[in-house]
Amino acid sequence: AQKITQTQPGMFVQEKEAVTLDCTYDTSDQSYGLFWYKQPSSGEMIFLIYQGSYDEQNATEGRYSLNFQKARKSANLVISASQLGDSAMYFCAMRAYNQGGKLIFGQGTELSVKP
Amino acid sequence: DTAVSQTPKYLVTQMGNDKSIKCEQNLGHDTMYWYKQDSKKFLKIMFSYNNKELIINETVPNRFSPKSPDKAHLNLHINSLELGDSAVYFCASSLISSSGNTIYFGEGSWLTVV
Repeated sequence: AQKITQTQPGMFVQEKEAVTLDCTYDTSDQSYGLFWYKQPSSGEMIFLIYQGSYDEQNATEGRYSLNFQKARKSANLVISASQLGDSAMYFCAMRAYNQGGKLIFGQGTELSVKP
Repeated sequence: DTAVSQTPKYLVTQMGNDKSIKCEQNLGHDTMYWYKQDSKKFLKIMFSYNNKELIINETVPNRFSPKSPDKAHLNLHINSLELGDSAVYFCASSLISSSGNTIYFGEGSWLTVV
């Protein structure tokens, strides 16, 4: 069975500092994708970054980077230079190639950025 | 233009009523989904359609019936609404062909059953 675990229900970070949100996953599939989504208080789900299981380099998208450690089955999100607008719920998710395309989500981490 | 749009955004209704939520995507995707987000913010897939064909049905009560008239539309009809159906329902779409294809979400429909 596939599973995503986010062990940090809530995190605080000072504005302009970097923060790491943890995500571990469990799957027996060889081909899968890992995603991070942001959900601000307004409720929409915003795609942030994607990492493929066969990608050798860590994914980066602007201030977001994904620290992918395949052997440890972890896919942590790093946000550099935090901004007040980064305060939101963050979800890690996994999509396996042979699972009909569905995303399996972690429990989420609520990030609060302090001025 | 909104890529994945769903209506209504807010819905308050009484127990026992029947209601529908509509979803449309203009991304040219072949697969659409319904996800439910409960009061603890946990997101879980309910249904998935690929080219109008149901491919995922995740042990959802049969009071919930999805309908996909074409691959750009996926509607969710709920019969005999119960208090526990109160949640945020998200429509989403993607291309199914690879695990790397991003799934894009609509803005969510907040359903409150009273």
